[in-house]
Amino acid sequence: GDSVTQMEGPVTLSEEAFLTINCTYTATGYPSLFWYVQYPGEGLQLLLKATKADDKGSNKGFEATYRKETTSFHLEKGSVQVSDSAVYFCALRGPRGYQKVTFGTGTKLQVIP
Amino acid sequence: NAGVTQTPKFRVLKTGQSMTLLCAQDMNHEYMYWYRQDPGMGLRLIHYSVGEGTTAKGEVPDGYNVSRLKKQNFLLGLESAAPSQTSVYFCASSSGDDWDTQYFGPGTRLTVL
Repeated sequence: GDSVTQMEGPVTLSEEAFLTINCTYTATGYPSLFWYVQYPGEGLQLLLKATKADDKGSNKGFEATYRKETTSFHLEKGSVQVSDSAVYFCALRGPRGYQKVTFGTGTKLQVIP
Repeated sequence: NAGVTQTPKFRVLKTGQSMTLLCAQDMNHEYMYWYRQDPGMGLRLIHYSVGEGTTAKGEVPDGYNVSRLKKQNFLLGLESAAPSQTSVYFCASSSGDDWDTQYFGPGTRLTVL
């Protein structure tokens, strides 16, 4: 079945550091890929998405590129802020079945001043 | 516009007790979902609904029932709570035009003793 593997956290960075959170997936066909963010005490929010190979999703300075050849969707940000501290979830939705989104286990990011 | 709200925020039950979690959305979304979030396991889909009066099983439906009598509400019931159901429960909704984008509630933390 579909699966998503994320790098384990927690990840601790200093403010203005470069961020990469790795995500790889296993799925049949051509899934849509997502990054969700969960701030402390809140529900998940969609951060960005990409629906086909080589698409780049971007939002709030975060970017991720859909790499079909490496089955990856790594999250990057050039300069993190303390306000980016949160848990980040990689997820996919198969090409069929709109109701089934498979989530990774989440990566906690802590940004220190 | 409150988005997705969940009631209650916290609850402690004893084994064998029953309870209902309420999810409400004011975005006129067709699709609604119940997830549980457990440490190291990401989010798992319990049940979902594609419209008023319809429900379907997700990945981990055992021990739960749901109802969607009104479009804006999605109820999750535990008939006889077990310690294995200790978790954080999230409700989400999405529209028929953009069902890739799920909007999450703030969650309910349930402890079963």
